[in-house]
Amino acid sequence: AQSVTQLGSHVSVSEGALVLLRCNYSSSVPPYLFWYVQYPNQGLQLLLKYTTGATLVKGINGFEAEFKKSETSFHLTKPSAHMSDAAEYFCAVSDSGTASKLTFGTGTRLQVTL
Amino acid sequence: DTGVSQNPRHKITKRGQNVTFRCDPISEHNRLYWYRQTLGQGPEFLTYFQNEAQLEKSRLLSDRFSAERPKGSFSTLEIQRTEQGDSAMYLCASSLGGTGDYGYTFGSGTRLTVV
Repeated sequence: AQSVTQLGSHVSVSEGALVLLRCNYSSSVPPYLFWYVQYPNQGLQLLLKYTTGATLVKGINGFEAEFKKSETSFHLTKPSAHMSDAAEYFCAVSDSGTASKLTFGTGTRLQVTL
Repeated sequence: DTGVSQNPRHKITKRGQNVTFRCDPISEHNRLYWYRQTLGQGPEFLTYFQNEAQLEKSRLLSDRFSAERPKGSFSTLEIQRTEQGDSAMYLCASSLGGTGDYGYTFGSGTRLTVV
């Protein structure tokens, strides 16, 4: 069985500050890992994904994440927060098989203050 | 093609009534997924289709829930005898299945309120 743990249900940063959202996963097979963003009353938008290859993954809107197998982590970062980054962020894991259903974490709400 | 479309966006129903939601995926995507998201939680997998075949159902999908995808195009999710616990956002997603592409495209969801 796979699972995802997102540490911190709420994170608050100042505009221009570093954003760090934490995600740890559990998987018995090589995982595929994802970060999604959700704005109020909207569906989920893919920020980035790790499947194979380079462990540092760059996504949209200046976000990136690094897959660290030894730490079973896939933390999301952005060097400088913008007000428009305020949203709910979900980390998700899928196995490397063909089913590709996602198991999501409980989410982290990012607040950006002036 | 403008993405995954879900209708209706909002549905309020009385307990015990039946409701049906529709999802139109991206036309070339052969996989279609349904997820349920309750307040303060991440989405939970309900079921998925590859073309018209329903290949997996979660234990969350009780016998009051049924999903179809006739002809491998749009999909419907029906809930019979709704209960207050069914209140949630129902999300549909589609993807082009196969090795290497696991980037879903999600719809905006249908928010169900059972009163």
